[in-house]
This record gives sequence, C-alpha cells and structure tokens, in this order.
Amino acid sequence: GNSVTQMEGPVTLSEEAFLTINCTYTATGYPSLFWYVQYPGEGLQLLLKATKADDKGSNKGFEATYRKETTSFHLEKGSVQVSDSAVYFCALSRTGGSYIPTFGRGTSLIVHP
Amino acid sequence: EAQVTQNPRYLITVTGKKLTVTCSQNMNHEYMSWYRQDPGLGLRQIYYSMNVEVTDKGDVPEGYKVSRKEKRNFPLILESPSPNQTSLYFCASSQGQGGYTFGSGTRLTVV
Repeated sequence: GNSVTQMEGPVTLSEEAFLTINCTYTATGYPSLFWYVQYPGEGLQLLLKATKADDKGSNKGFEATYRKETTSFHLEKGSVQVSDSAVYFCALSRTGGSYIPTFGRGTSLIVHP
Repeated sequence: EAQVTQNPRYLITVTGKKLTVTCSQNMNHEYMSWYRQDPGLGLRQIYYSMNVEVTDKGDVPEGYKVSRKEKRNFPLILESPSPNQTSLYFCASSQGQGGYTFGSGTRLTVV
C-alpha cells in the first residue's frame, strides 16, 4: 500500500540556518505530493504541493522537488526564522481517484533566536 | 472566507455519553474526512466521504460513526465514548488533487 516516511524530530536549528526535512514515499501509480505545516494550537495548513515528477512546489521560502527516481520529496528552506517553528507533515494523495491523503508522522522543527 | 469549521474546540465528557462533533465547509468540496492526532502516532484517518451519502472507513473507524446528508456537513458521532478516544480531532475537505483544507481541531477528553 501507500506510505510516507519522514525523518524523526525534533529538528533544532538556529535562526538563519538551512533546513532540510527528508520525506520518502511508497506508492502505486503517480501520486501527488504535499507538505503541510501545523503551528502550535492550530490545524494543518497546506504549505506546498507537486503533482508530477520533477515538479517543484514552493511557498513562503520553502521548496520541495518531486523526485520519482528516488521516491522523495524533501522540504528545504535557505534561512529559517523563529516563526517557522512548527510540525511539518509530508503527504501523498492515493491514486484511483479518491484523493484521500496518506500522511507521514510529522517532523517537529524548533528554531532558536 | 473559505474554511472548514469544527465545533466545539474543546470538549470534556464522561464515558458512555453520546456526543457529536460538527464539521462544515463552505467551499462546495466533494471530499471530506476525519482524522485523529495522537502523540507519536501522527494523523490517522477515521472516516472519509467522497460525496453526499457516500462514506467509507479509514484506518481507525472503531467506535465512531459519520453521516453525509448534505455536501457541506460531515459530523463525527461517538455513540459511547471511551477514554481511549481522548484525542485531537481534525475535519478536512478537498475538491481533488489540490490538497486538503483543515479545520482548527477539536480537543476531546473522555473521563
């Protein structure tokens, strides 16, 4: 079946550091890939997405590239801020038309001033 | 504003007392889903719906019921809540491959 594996957290960085959160997936067919962010006390928000191989999703300085050859969708940001502290979820949409997402377990990011 | 609205935000109840968590979306989305979030377990899908009167079980459906009589509403029903259903619950909706819009969550405590 479909699955998403994310690196375990927490990831702790200083402000302005470079961020990478790894995400790999297993899926049949050609899923769409997503990153969601959950700020403390809030629901998940869609951060970025990519719908086919080699697509790059980007938003708020975050980027991720759909790599079919390595089945990966790693999240990157060149310079993190304290306000980026949150939990980040990688997800894929199931194939077959239902669009029901499968989520990774989430990676907590803590950014210190 | 496009949104998914859940109520209540917080709820403390006793074992066995039936409760309903409401969910409503104003985006005319076809797909709706309920998740529970627990520490160390991430998000687990409870039930989902692909359209009015079409619902199906997710990964952890035991102890829950849902209904989809109207496109905008997708309530979650706990007929006889138990302490192991203490969790943070999220409703979400989608129109397809564009991703899901989530509600703000309902924190349920069953004592």
